[in-house]
Amino acid sequence: AQRVTQPEKLLSVFKGAPVELKCNYSYSGSPELFWYVQYSRQRLQLLLRHISRESIKGFTADLNKGETSFHLKKPFAQEEDSAMYYCALKKAGTALIFGKGTTLSVSS
Amino acid sequence: SAVISQKPSRDICQRGTSLTIQCQVDSQVTMMFWYRQQPGQSLTLIATANQGSEATYESGFVIDKFPISRPNLTFSTLTVSNMSPEDSSIYLCSVEQTSETQYFGPGTRLLVL
Repeated sequence: AQRVTQPEKLLSVFKGAPVELKCNYSYSGSPELFWYVQYSRQRLQLLLRHISRESIKGFTADLNKGETSFHLKKPFAQEEDSAMYYCALKKAGTALIFGKGTTLSVSS
Repeated sequence: SAVISQKPSRDICQRGTSLTIQCQVDSQVTMMFWYRQQPGQSLTLIATANQGSEATYESGFVIDKFPISRPNLTFSTLTVSNMSPEDSSIYLCSVEQTSETQYFGPGTRLLVL
């Protein structure tokens, strides 16, 4: 069965500290992996997708097929990064399957 | 990316009644989906809205409770029927374009008393 696991419900860091939001997935095949972010009082929006291999707002994520992981990283957290982050998986022609989400709290 | 709007943005309803949520997209899209986000929870897929045919429902969701229409490539409705307090959630419309990336509407916040 397809499944996305985000083990941390809440991650609290200080401004300037490195951030790693963990995501593991279970899927037999070649899935597409995504990170979505939801800032307070805003709609859910795409942060990045593994196929693009790009950095958005300083965040990167590398797909590790051996460990079935797609962790989201940022070297120096900013207060404006505080939000809910969802890891999601999909295969072509189907809808996204979401993890439970991790709340990132960055304080000064 | 597509611009997605939902109506209503929020509503408070009495148990036993029904509410229809509309999703409008500013361009034609290949796929439309409906999700539910219960308080403090992640997003759960309700169904895929198919243009010109019956929606495809996920396990645990049935057409009698959540009838869906999709008359064309830019519009869909989700009805929450015979509501109970357990239906209090945020309901989200999502669309997928040719890039196979999904975009989300602002959501409809529903409270059932």
